[in-house]
This record gives sequence, structure tokens and C-alpha cells, in this order.
Amino acid sequence: NAGVTQTPKFQVLKTGQSMTLQCAQDMNHNSMYWYRQDPGMGLRLIYYSASEGTTDKGEVPNGYNVSRLNKREFSLRLESAAPSQTSVYFCASSEVPTGEQFFGPGTRLTVL
Amino acid sequence: AQTVTQSQPEMSVQEAETVTLSCTYDTSENNYYLFWYKQPPSRQMILVIRQEAYKQQNATENRFSVNFQKAAKSFSLKISDSQLGDTAMYFCAFMKHVNDYKLSFGAGTTVTVRA
Repeated sequence: NAGVTQTPKFQVLKTGQSMTLQCAQDMNHNSMYWYRQDPGMGLRLIYYSASEGTTDKGEVPNGYNVSRLNKREFSLRLESAAPSQTSVYFCASSEVPTGEQFFGPGTRLTVL
Repeated sequence: AQTVTQSQPEMSVQEAETVTLSCTYDTSENNYYLFWYKQPPSRQMILVIRQEAYKQQNATENRFSVNFQKAAKSFSLKISDSQLGDTAMYFCAFMKHVNDYKLSFGAGTTVTVRA
């Protein structure tokens, strides 16, 4: 099993450009998440999807959109990138009985 | 959002020694879940240990153990017999209940194990 996979691993954008971060999990988990990690701030939840067909805002949703394409895939879109969105982005999925979240390897995004 | 505080930005420990990382949290909930995650230089987030608030017994996983003090809202992590591979950033995290779906993370503590 690959677990949680993310593409791309690195990306550089110019201000105003758009892009989509892809995430897929093969653990048959219902819930999926997008986080951003900034220095000195830990991980902050952007959006989550409790189950296929549902999405909800997390702590820092402004400037982002998400799509739960199917049970396996959960994408994060930046419509008009800003320098403040320079960060490392993590996707995760979870199993309800334990609450444990499994993380992808992360995407380092730089917006110039 | 719940508040999770890790007051130690950095800690250094000699190989084979013990180090304790502190974590406090703020909640009005009675039942909840607490986690410690490890993030080595590879950036991969790895679950170290998990504690359910309704369980009084402290969780242990090999060289990793916690001291869970519910009344004090404290959840410290002890790493015994530290190894070079333990060098990483460690995050404390809080979840209200498994159907809440949301993890609140502390800012992290960077642990360096010296040879």
C-alpha cells in the first residue's frame, strides 16, 4: 500500500497563478484533510472532508477551494496564488475508530 | 479551535539519555484524544503515541511514554534511551472526539539527539 500520496512535491508559482494540489489514499478511509505548515505555527487545518460528497472549512480556508473527487482523492486548489500562501501543504486521511490521521509526504509551495 | 501549547521550541539530549517534552491544552471537553506526532527531516508526519482522555493509564510505545495529567490539562512525552534517529520535530495534537475530524496542533518542539 502506498498510503497517502501527494503531487507535486515542489512547486513555484508567480503571484496570481492558479494550481491544484492532488492527494490520494488507498486505505479506504472516509475522512481526508488538507493542512498547511508554517514555521513556528505547527499544522493548521485548511479544509476537510468527513466523507465522500462532503467538504467543510477548517481554521484557515480563505484563498483555497477543495474537491472530494471520490473516496480516494481530495484536491486543493489555489485560484489566485499569493505570497502569503507560501507554505508546506500536507494531505491526510483518517480512520474513525482511533482518530489517527495518516499524512502524505507534503508539497513545498513557493509563491513569488 | 482548541489551544495546544508547546513551551519548548528546542531541546537537545545526549544519545542514550532521556528527554521530556511538555504540552498543555485548553478545553472544556471531558472526553477527547491526544497525540504526539514526529516529523523527521524527511518531513513525513509519523504518529508516535495516542492517549484517550477517559483512560487513566498513561500510554506507552516502546521507548516513548506519556504523562497525562487530565486535571492540569498536561500531556508530556518522555523519550527514553534517545537514539540519533529520534532527531525530529515533535508535535502535540488534540482532537475533541473521533467524529470531530479536526486535529489542533501545537507549534512543535525540535529535538536534537547528540552522539
